[in-house]
Amino acid sequence: GQQLNQSPQSMFIQEGEDVSMNCTSSSIFNTWLWYKQDPGEGPVLLIALYKAGELTSNGRLTAQFGITRKDSFLNISASIPSDVGIYFCAGRRSNKLIFGTGTLLAVQP
Amino acid sequence: DGGITQSPKYLFRKEGQNVTLSCEQNLNHDAMYWYRQDPGQGLRLIYYSQIVNDFQKGDIAEGYSVSREKKESFPLTVTSAQKNPTAFYLCASSPLILATPTGNYGYTFGSGTRLTVV
Repeated sequence: GQQLNQSPQSMFIQEGEDVSMNCTSSSIFNTWLWYKQDPGEGPVLLIALYKAGELTSNGRLTAQFGITRKDSFLNISASIPSDVGIYFCAGRRSNKLIFGTGTLLAVQP
Repeated sequence: DGGITQSPKYLFRKEGQNVTLSCEQNLNHDAMYWYRQDPGQGLRLIYYSQIVNDFQKGDIAEGYSVSREKKESFPLTVTSAQKNPTAFYLCASSPLILATPTGNYGYTFGSGTRLTVV
């Protein structure tokens, strides 16, 4: 089955650093979503993007819907230890979500 | 509060035994999904259902079975035919239509069941 390509696969950073990750696809999507999965829990929706070029913020998180509709980016500013987890992108096509391969984020205090 | 509940949180199974994982939602969602997650891996779709008494195979359905007798419930059975069943299993639900004039919807996930074969 199709999965979206996320990079980087993992990140190990110091508290206070900014983080950037992205998600790419060979085909276009109508909606991009970003989820965060805490260790041992299910993913929780962070941000949803509905239009090409859209830039949306949620606290320290900022996400963008790529102009080509084939990619999306997530930035986290001033990381804190509770940001640790796996971040998944997801693209909507028709009434299905296709998930990315995930980016593991570790934050050292 | 509406939500999606998976039980149990941890499950241990002996080799050769079938085991059933529970997933219940009170969000009035038509669609439900089962995913498997291995350490360091993404989400792989096992089965999904868009209506009661109907379900479709996902990418890794072999060794698994499901039923959808009620809208609220979508249990997953891991059979003895599943060669490597130890994993983290996630259930999700969503409206049938993910995009409406008033907004877009994603999937709502349960908190997962960790299955270990001993």
